Amino acid sequence: QLQLQESGPGLVKTSETLSLTCTVSGDSVSSTNYFWGWIRQPPGKGLEWIGTVHYSGSTYYNPSLRSRVTIPIDTSNNQFSLKLTSVTAADTADYYCAARTIVAGGWFDPWGQGTPVTVSS
Amino acid sequence: DIQLTQSPSFLSASVGDRVTISCRASQGISTYLAWYQQKPGKAPKLLIYTASTLQSGVPSRFSGSASGTEFTLTISSLQPEDFATYYCQQLNSYPLTFGGGTKVEIK
Repeated sequence: QLQLQESGPGLVKTSETLSLTCTVSGDSVSSTNYFWGWIRQPPGKGLEWIGTVHYSGSTYYNPSLRSRVTIPIDTSNNQFSLKLTSVTAADTADYYCAARTIVAGGWFDPWGQGTPVTVSS
Repeated sequence: DIQLTQSPSFLSASVGDRVTISCRASQGISTYLAWYQQKPGKAPKLLIYTASTLQSGVPSRFSGSASGTEFTLTISSLQPEDFATYYCQQLNSYPLTFGGGTKVEIK
């Protein structure tokens, strides 16, 4: 079945770029059945949607992060990534990748286990 | 942006209790709402989608309903493994948004 797994550095310096990868197994990242997305959760707080992309090239980003975020797809490795530039302490969070079903009102399932990222100077 | 207001933000209940959690949308979202359960240190888990459809493998004590912009998650008989935080999410339009969460603790 479809499974996702996040990877990447757990510590990023202030003002640098946060880069995480989500490896997809059980289906292809070029599948037209899913959008691929990132969600984050600051320590002790709620969930925040970051962005969602489709293999076709459609991209949707949270307006609060749009100027700093990209989500590229790497079909050769069956992965998609999160790039967040100019990070500050406010970007410290657990980061989750997830698949969004492409039907109208499609939901996120499954999710990766999540990876913690701390931003510090 | 569509705001989702969850209530209560915290509730204390006993095993066997019937529990209801509310999620109110700031504008119409059809039935494009999902509910997730999150336990400490774990990823959110999908419980219900399109407001009332139970995800495969989720116990039938969980149910969801909708009336206009009001959505409800009900746990008919709370079990020890249900103590967790619950989030609603609207999937009607971008930007996708989550409710603030409801933490269910043991009384």
